Amino acid sequence: DTEVTQTPKHLVMGMTNKKSLKCEQHMGHRAMYWYKQKAKKPPELMFVYSYEKLSINESVPSRFSPECPNSSLLNLHLHALQPEDSALYLCASSQGTGNQPQHFGDGTRLSIL
Amino acid sequence: AQKVTQAQTEISVVEKEDVTLDCVYETRDTTYYLFWYKQPPSGELVFLIRRNSFDEQNEISGRYSWNFQKSTSSFNFTITASQVVDSAVYFCALSPIIQGAQKLVFGQGTRLTINP
Repeated sequence: DTEVTQTPKHLVMGMTNKKSLKCEQHMGHRAMYWYKQKAKKPPELMFVYSYEKLSINESVPSRFSPECPNSSLLNLHLHALQPEDSALYLCASSQGTGNQPQHFGDGTRLSIL
Repeated sequence: AQKVTQAQTEISVVEKEDVTLDCVYETRDTTYYLFWYKQPPSGELVFLIRRNSFDEQNEISGRYSWNFQKSTSSFNFTITASQVVDSAVYFCALSPIIQGAQKLVFGQGTRLTINP
């Protein structure tokens, strides 16, 4: 079992739906991350929250909206997604010092119909 | 710009063979971190090792060893006496040293298959 928990594990949604991905960690980490990973490709960084503030947005389309309600939770709100957004979405966390490794969740496998 | 190259897309060996996964990186930073992660079919990335640019000591952990050579910008990973459970995709990654978080740049990954 990983120490970073992502829900749901699988999600199928239509292009007009609104859904959210959830990520939770209880390791006291102060940095949290969202990655997108297409099949047979490496993870691509989307967002970084550091001490609950958005510190990096890698020019992600506005149909993806991150939220960090507290230091243990990270959400990714999805709206009006496109078929090319189908991918594995990985959440990770690390201590807020910048030199500690990231701990990853199992991911949410998202399919857009 | 930062870049990580894993030239070996796929490697297939028979169990108990030794195997080396290559990683070459490019960066203009003088200080940085290098990482190796393992991604089994379940999807999560499992942290294996972190090395900072100041520390060129090689490291051994059980059957795993890492060879960091700053002169050739390489950070290679060797599995000795491979086992079927080692089958996974392995990613090498680079991160600049920034406050509060990391910005990992991953290589394309090497899919390792260990056959019984």
